Amino acid sequence: QVQLQESGPRLVRPSETLSLTCNVSDDVLSPSYWSWLRQPAGKGPEWIGRIYVGGTTNYNPSLKGRATLSLDTSKKRFSLQIRSVTAADTAVYYCAKDSSSGYWPHWGQGTPVTVSS
Amino acid sequence: EIVLTQSPGTLSLAPGERATLSCRASQTFSNDFLAWYQQRPGQAPRLLFYAASKRATGVPDSFSASGSGTDFTLTISRLEPEDFAVYYCQQYGNSPRTFGQGTKVEVK
Repeated sequence: QVQLQESGPRLVRPSETLSLTCNVSDDVLSPSYWSWLRQPAGKGPEWIGRIYVGGTTNYNPSLKGRATLSLDTSKKRFSLQIRSVTAADTAVYYCAKDSSSGYWPHWGQGTPVTVSS
Repeated sequence: EIVLTQSPGTLSLAPGERATLSCRASQTFSNDFLAWYQQRPGQAPRLLFYAASKRATGVPDSFSASGSGTDFTLTISRLEPEDFAVYYCQQYGNSPRTFGQGTKVEVK
């Protein structure tokens, strides 16, 4: 079963860029969509965006164009950047592998990110 | 964007009791593409059901899910200690995919 692990800074200053990476245990980054989600404390998860192994991306409009996903198939990892962060971007961030239909059977353990000066 | 409203917000029950959780959508979506997740403290969500009623691998038979259109239900027939957690519904029939705000099942 695929395993995912998020990594990146846990503290980001307001107006700066949040950058996270997800390492995947698969032998190769399999033909699938790979997603980022986040969950503020006490709230339900929010889908941020997804990237296909061929590079196609889709984003949640709620991020207002601030999010960018990329992937490195040779290194079996994909990444998230969110520009111009504010306190509202404070959350636990998860990477996940999409099912073919669009739910998420496989999640990373999550990494908390705080936006604060 | 489809809004999912879960009720109740908190369910206080004793081990062995039956839990019934509701998820109502603001509009219908494709193919009743609804999933349920369980989340324990400090853990990632765990998939329980997809396509409204299809049980994911390893989910006990004490869990069942049903519904269609805009009304969906998750039922736990007899609560075990490990079932006390937060449960989320999620629709994946329309973009963007969205989650409900969750129902917490707590020990009474």
